[in-house]
Amino acid sequence: KAGVTQTPRYLIKTRGQQVTLSCSPISGHRSVSWYQQTPGQGLQFLFEYFSETQRNKGNFPGRFSGRQFSNSRSEMNVSTLELGDSALYLCASSLSPVLNTEAFFGQGTRLTVV
Amino acid sequence: DAKTTQPPSMDCAEGRAANLPCNHSTISGNEYVYWYRQIHSQGPQYIIHGLKNNETNEMASLIITEDRKSSTLILPHATLRDTAVYYCIVSGIRRQLTFGSGTQLTVLP
Repeated sequence: KAGVTQTPRYLIKTRGQQVTLSCSPISGHRSVSWYQQTPGQGLQFLFEYFSETQRNKGNFPGRFSGRQFSNSRSEMNVSTLELGDSALYLCASSLSPVLNTEAFFGQGTRLTVV
Repeated sequence: DAKTTQPPSMDCAEGRAANLPCNHSTISGNEYVYWYRQIHSQGPQYIIHGLKNNETNEMASLIITEDRKSSTLILPHATLRDTAVYYCIVSGIRRQLTFGSGTQLTVLP
């Protein structure tokens, strides 16, 4: 079956703009989590969605937001982009947040803010 | 979630077993130990997880000590394609994966 699909793969934006990233989970998976990876901070948890509801949120400013649709696809939005938002954004899907099963990651979206 | 400690880097000869240690002395009773790896510029890949018993799958074996304060990931016959950063994560019911800095495993020819 198809894996986790993230679009676009690469993106270049200017400071102050906003950006929307998309994640399609594995078919049947209802939980989607987002992570930011930078050389300095490593992999950091942004938020998790299950059944269109945000279940957990990491320590990021309100400029970072997300949502999940009824088909489990998820989007994350970053407003008023800053240079420090340049990172690899990773999405992971899993069956359910209450089952300790594995998470499957997409290839990520590489965002560059100039 | 409990914090983990891993060595920053390790080398292993191709064809030999790679044994990657992880300390998680503050793990609580309902927390699982997960291992993921990340090959350069790709998303992390799940390897294996366990609660208290040793586990084995087609990729690796996971050995958890009886007191659950440490574990070892074993790649039985390392290949060059196993060169990656390996993350040991302890996660409870909230399922948020907290990644540390991991161990850079380099498999040498």
